[in-house]
Amino acid sequence: GDSVTQMEGPVTLSEEAFLTINCTYTATGYPSLFWYVQYPGEGLQLLLKATKADDKGSNKGFEATYRKETTSFHLEKGSVQVSDSAVYFCALRKVNRDDKIIFGKGTRLHILP
Amino acid sequence: GAGVSQSPRYKVAKRGQDVALRCDPISGHVSLFWYQQALGQGPEFLTYFQNEAQLDKSGLPSDRFFAERPEGSVSTLKIQRTQQEDSAVYLCASSLRQGVSEQYFGPGTRLTVT
Repeated sequence: GDSVTQMEGPVTLSEEAFLTINCTYTATGYPSLFWYVQYPGEGLQLLLKATKADDKGSNKGFEATYRKETTSFHLEKGSVQVSDSAVYFCALRKVNRDDKIIFGKGTRLHILP
Repeated sequence: GAGVSQSPRYKVAKRGQDVALRCDPISGHVSLFWYQQALGQGPEFLTYFQNEAQLDKSGLPSDRFFAERPEGSVSTLKIQRTQQEDSAVYLCASSLRQGVSEQYFGPGTRLTVT
């Protein structure tokens, strides 16, 4: 079945460091890919998305590129801030009769000042 | 309000009790989803409605779980005879229509079964 695998956390970085969180997926067809973020005490928020191969999603300095050849959607940010500390979920959705989202297990990110 | 709301935000139930969790989607949103998020895990799909029709309930873990959306707006997730393994955050999401519309998530209901 369809699935998402992302790197396990926690990931701890110093402020202004470069961030990569790896994500790979398994799916038939052409899913849309997403990164969601869950800040402490808050609900899930969509961070960025890409709907077809080679699309790049970006938001708040974060980027991810839909790579069909490697079935990957790695999240990157050039210079992280303390406020980026949160749990990040990679996810996919196949647009069909039901649009359920399939999530990875999440990666907790700690940014040290 | 502008977003998806859920109530109660926290629920403690004794094992064997029945619980009902409510979701108010964004007004006008056709699609509604329920997900279950266990501690330290990603959300997992439970069930999906398009208007009042429950089109997919393949994620419901047992026949103790039941969801309804009788008028195509508010939805209720009911869990009968709760068990400890039901302890989780239950998330509701809605989207404007089937297809490419973004899903907007509510804050969740944290259920603890003691």
